[in-house]
Amino acid sequence: AQKVTQAQTEISVVEKEDVTLDCVYETRDTTYYLFWYKQPPSGELVFLIRRNSFDEQNEISGRYSWNFQKSTSSFNFTITASQVVDSAVYFCALVNTGGFKTIFGAGTRLFVKA
Amino acid sequence: DTEVTQTPKHLVMGMTNKKSLKCEQHMGHRAMYWYKQKAKKPPELMFVYSYEKLSINESVPSRFSPECPNSSLLNLHLHALQPEDSALYLCASSQDTSRSDTQYFGPGTRLTVL
Repeated sequence: AQKVTQAQTEISVVEKEDVTLDCVYETRDTTYYLFWYKQPPSGELVFLIRRNSFDEQNEISGRYSWNFQKSTSSFNFTITASQVVDSAVYFCALVNTGGFKTIFGAGTRLFVKA
Repeated sequence: DTEVTQTPKHLVMGMTNKKSLKCEQHMGHRAMYWYKQKAKKPPELMFVYSYEKLSINESVPSRFSPECPNSSLLNLHLHALQPEDSALYLCASSQDTSRSDTQYFGPGTRLTVL
């Protein structure tokens, strides 16, 4: 069975704080892809990152960084020095190779207060 | 340019109305998707088109009828909807369905059924 768990339903931080959004996944496949999407109040899902199961290198993009650990089946997302514009719902997702169906986690709603 | 456009942005319709949602992409993608998203939930897959052919219908009621007139356009025809069909309808596209490619989403249509 495939499953993505985002245990944090809501997180509230003050601007400039660092925040980590957790994502744990389950799959029996050895080849798969993990994604993070951001959904601001406007509704559009914005693609943030795609990582395949063979690439465990951590990635940094500006204030965003991702920590992929196969040993714990986790793909966590950290925002450094959060800003009000980071307020959104963040979805972690899983797709198996050759698959079209994206398995989404329940999402984590992030509130960043000024 | 990773843009998927959707029209209209908002739609209010009665249960006896017939309406259509439109989605367009000009990225040369050959796979297009319809998702339904209820408030505070992740998107749920409805339909997948691959090379202009319907490849997946996730047991969606027949009051939703998808159409893919060409590789850039995807429509969702609505007829005799129920109030519980009120939701955000998201369109997405990807290069292909066979390579677990990144899906790029449009801004969505917020549908209210009275």
